[in-house]
Amino acid sequence: DTGVSQDPRHKITKRGQNVTFRCDPISEHNRLYWYRQTLGQGPEFLTYFQNEAQLEKSRLLSDRFSAERPKGSFSTLEIQRTEQGDSAMYLCASSSLFSDDLDNEQFFGPGTRLTVL
Amino acid sequence: LAKTTQPISMDSYEGQEVNITCSHNNIATNDYITWYQQFPSQGPRFIIQGYKTKVTNEVASLFIPADRKSSTLSLPRVSLSDTAVYYCLVGDPYSSASKIIFGSGTRLSIRP
Repeated sequence: DTGVSQDPRHKITKRGQNVTFRCDPISEHNRLYWYRQTLGQGPEFLTYFQNEAQLEKSRLLSDRFSAERPKGSFSTLEIQRTEQGDSAMYLCASSSLFSDDLDNEQFFGPGTRLTVL
Repeated sequence: LAKTTQPISMDSYEGQEVNITCSHNNIATNDYITWYQQFPSQGPRFIIQGYKTKVTNEVASLFIPADRKSSTLSLPRVSLSDTAVYYCLVGDPYSSASKIIFGSGTRLSIRP
């Protein structure tokens, strides 16, 4: 397994457009997380899934944001009617809740950098 | 929420030992302390995690005093490639993911 992958790596869009990002976690991981990171700040939690169930959503995740993880595998994050304030790096991470060997560390993907013009 | 406080930036030289301290005064009983490293344009990478006393792996050591209100990440003999942002996180990894907060991190710069 090559780790967590995200697609696309970069996305430039115009304000008001919808965008969708994809995350493919490490195959045996049952947890998947989405974060948003702006310049000079640490990642901010958005939401996470355990298998296919979305267990938590941050208040940062407005109704324009939606995330899915069908069949507990890959996940998509959609932003509708994008705003300039949505410009950020969107990071995906996965972890295995029950693996003592991994110490429950999160494995991050390279991120998708979104620029809203 | 267990908020963390760490220095905004630190400088050191190649070959030196670097210690980055993180304060977490309101850490909860079930919380673990985790450190991540992040290079520009990459996602964070797990370094080390601990609950109490001392933890050591192949890249770092983590020192946690008995009261657990602070922790120190120790990087032995740093090199230029250790220049990165280091995040201290406190939270229960088996409970609510939203309560694990990254903060702004410490920007470590290593000079030749």
